[in-house]
Amino acid sequence: AQSVAQPEDQVNVAEGNPLTVKCTYSVSGNPYLFWYVQYPNRGLQFLLKYITGDNLVKGSYGFEAEFNKSQTSFHLKKPSALVSDSALYFCAVRDTDTGKLIFGQGTTLQVKP
Amino acid sequence: EAGVTQFPSHSVIEKGQTVTLRCDPISGHDNLYWYRRVMGKEIKFLLHFVKESKQDESGMPNNRFLAERTGGTYSTLKVQPAELEDSGVYFCASSQANRPNSPLHFGNGTRLTVT
Repeated sequence: AQSVAQPEDQVNVAEGNPLTVKCTYSVSGNPYLFWYVQYPNRGLQFLLKYITGDNLVKGSYGFEAEFNKSQTSFHLKKPSALVSDSALYFCAVRDTDTGKLIFGQGTTLQVKP
Repeated sequence: EAGVTQFPSHSVIEKGQTVTLRCDPISGHDNLYWYRRVMGKEIKFLLHFVKESKQDESGMPNNRFLAERTGGTYSTLKVQPAELEDSGVYFCASSQANRPNSPLHFGNGTRLTVT
């Protein structure tokens, strides 16, 4: 069965510092990986995806994610955090048989000024 | 283009009552999904429509939940009768194609509270 794990419930960083939100996955076959963000009182917004190709994927709002096959990880990163990045972040893998997204439990990112 | 819209944004009902959630997908998107997030837990798949047909309803918790998508446009999710454990945020998503590299577009969700 395909699954995704986000080991941290919350990540705290100071504004201007780099941030990392961790995600590991377990799939059979090639992984199709996604990051979504949920701002307060808003829906889930697509940030970026990894399908194939370069291991470093660039997405919206200056975010990027690094695909690491040997470590089965897909960590979300940003070189310099903003207070406005504070939100709930979800990693997800696409089940290639059914098409549905399988989500991790989410990580709350808190960026403090 | 208009995004995925969900109505209502919030609903507070008593145990035993009925609630109907509505989702309008992006125009032209054949694939429509319902997901639910119970407080503090992961977002869980409920079901998937392709046009008006239920492609996969393996995530529906029990027979108190009924989803429809008549005409292949908007969808409704009815909970009858509601129980306390049904509280959570219900998300709807749509995609044009059911390809692995197609991102799902989500609505803002309906926050359901059962008291």
